[in-house]
Amino acid sequence: AQSVTQLGSHVSVSEGALVLLRCNYSSSVPPYLFWYVQYPNQGLQLLLKYTSAATLVKGINDFEAEFKKSETSFHLTKPSAHMSDAAEYFCAVSENNAGNMLTFGGGTRLMVKP
Amino acid sequence: DGGITQSPKYLFRKEGQNVTLSCEQNLNHDAMYWYRQDPGQGLRLIYYSQIVNDFQKGDIAEGYSVSREKKESFPLTVTSAQKNPTAFYLCASSPYMNTEAFFGQGTRLTVV
Repeated sequence: AQSVTQLGSHVSVSEGALVLLRCNYSSSVPPYLFWYVQYPNQGLQLLLKYTSAATLVKGINDFEAEFKKSETSFHLTKPSAHMSDAAEYFCAVSENNAGNMLTFGGGTRLMVKP
Repeated sequence: DGGITQSPKYLFRKEGQNVTLSCEQNLNHDAMYWYRQDPGQGLRLIYYSQIVNDFQKGDIAEGYSVSREKKESFPLTVTSAQKNPTAFYLCASSPYMNTEAFFGQGTRLTVV
């Protein structure tokens, strides 16, 4: 069975500082991994995805994530936080088998201080 | 533009009434999903459908019903049996079950 754990339900950074949001997964087969962002009262928007190609995945708005199989992690980073990055972020996993659906983590709310 | 449309964005209903949330997609996706989101609880799967005329219960299906008569449409009915229906409801679709999901803008249901 697949599962996702996001460490830290709230993360606060200063504008211009590094953003690091943590995601660990469990999967019995090679996974597909995703990061989504949600702004208040909006749906989820895909930031980036890993589907067994390059382990370092670049997404929109300068976000990137690195798949580390040995650590079962897929942490999301951004070199310099902007105020507009304040939102909730969700990590999701899907096993690389037809018929399996996404499993979401509990989400991390990112706050950016001026 | 292709996408997923949920309507209405805000919905108010009296306790004991059934209410239907609309979800339409023009992405030609096979799979569609309904999630419920409560503050601090992430997304919980209510129902999903892989093909027309077929759907499966998710983790919290009690008090909800769905139909999938057309590929483009996956309406969700919140029945009076749902004990705590006030929440933010998200509809999503994907080309196949294990690919990324595309989300609508959500419907915030408030039951008074």
